[in-house]
Amino acid sequence: DQQVKQNSPSLSVQEGRISILNCDYTNSMFDYFLWYKKYPAEGPTFLISISSIKDKNEDGRFTVFLNKSAKHLSLHIVPSQPGDSAVYFCAARFGNTGKLIFGQGTTLQVKP
Amino acid sequence: EAGVVQSPRYKIIEKKQPVAFWCNPISGHNTLYWYRQNLGQGPELLIRYENEEAVDDSQLPKDRFSAERLKGVDSTLKIQPAELGDSAVYLCASSLAPISNEQFFGPGTRLTVL
Repeated sequence: DQQVKQNSPSLSVQEGRISILNCDYTNSMFDYFLWYKKYPAEGPTFLISISSIKDKNEDGRFTVFLNKSAKHLSLHIVPSQPGDSAVYFCAARFGNTGKLIFGQGTTLQVKP
Repeated sequence: EAGVVQSPRYKIIEKKQPVAFWCNPISGHNTLYWYRQNLGQGPELLIRYENEEAVDDSQLPKDRFSAERLKGVDSTLKIQPAELGDSAVYLCASSLAPISNEQFFGPGTRLTVL
């Protein structure tokens, strides 16, 4: 039972355009949602998060949107840069334990 | 400040052999996690420590996997004996507190079981 799903294994965008990565979840008990970025041969690094009581959080070029009724969140990167090319993982947190449940990841390629 | 350190970075063994992974978390981080990441999947939690106590090991296959965190600092994850299906990247992460919003990951150990 996959509680956090990223249905798009890969995404390719042109430099300067917007990248939109999507994530769906099933469990209403998640209290925080996070995005991690992973380069090859490195561990995931934290990118941005959003509380379940918010619907938007912005940090520079990165914005995360949360639609609780649809159990859906998305990460917007604008403008996209070649250095953004990486695997992006969506994760959801159980507030009482801090346990993270990760999605399968989406590989983003930003073409110059 | 040094990040989470893991060793070895790569390990190739034959099935039925034992293997051990080592992790040194960020200084001051009381919470330590071991994850397994299969190819094409996200990390899955194996065990979580609060200081030296394992507070969540529900996903750890206890028949062959064991872990310890002596003195509440660095940690070792062991597999004995290894099976073909154990081939994966084993990630260690740490955080300041149990419900900290951010976990810091090490580079991982890529295990190949032949």
